[in-house]
Amino acid sequence: GAGVSQSPSNKVTEKGKDVELRCDPISGHTALYWYRQSLGQGLEFLIYFQGNSAPDKSGLPSDRFSAERTGGSVSTLTIQRTQQEDSAVYLCASSLGFGSGQSSYNEQFFGPGTRLTVL
Amino acid sequence: KNQVEQSPQSLIILEGKNCTLQCNYTVSPFSNLRWYKQDTGRGPVSLTIMTFSENTKSNGRYTATLDADTKQSSLHITASQLSDSASYICVVRTNYGGSQGNLIFGKGTKLSVKP
Repeated sequence: GAGVSQSPSNKVTEKGKDVELRCDPISGHTALYWYRQSLGQGLEFLIYFQGNSAPDKSGLPSDRFSAERTGGSVSTLTIQRTQQEDSAVYLCASSLGFGSGQSSYNEQFFGPGTRLTVL
Repeated sequence: KNQVEQSPQSLIILEGKNCTLQCNYTVSPFSNLRWYKQDTGRGPVSLTIMTFSENTKSNGRYTATLDADTKQSSLHITASQLSDSASYICVVRTNYGGSQGNLIFGKGTKLSVKP
């Protein structure tokens, strides 16, 4: 595709339910990031995938949050037993990769986000 | 601790006026600094990137500056338009540390351009 796509665009769920958010990165991009953005706040890092390396999960706020990236492409962010404080926009970004001498490698291209509302 | 601080937190200006947004960072070692524009309801889009050796870079009505000695960057918007209303995010990359993909985000400046 031409850009990063995310689905669904909006998700309303009841407290305690599980949700899955999907991210389709730009083809060929080896790096994939998930962020959370609460209303009026900055981007909060959640998790980062780079190629076949073990993901950096240091930003996941609790063990209710998990993510996987299958085949180095599509990624799914899963939130179990959702809470009202999980309500936010979840943004996915991808980049070509990781080259310290090539700034183009680390330009992130963001998807439109998934707006999650937990009632 | 690697941090990126942006100011002001929010700003309201009249259409046609100029404005300057600030970004101060304590990230080390420094690799590059990007300014992103995030329209409401959309993901951020890169405006410009600054590397260590660059002092000034322009992209249309947007001009970014970088002072690597004082670890400060600014984004100047000339002749503002209503479409400039957005959040502007400063992101600094470090080559080491390994966490968060080596990217440290500021909280952004929310700019509102009024007619």
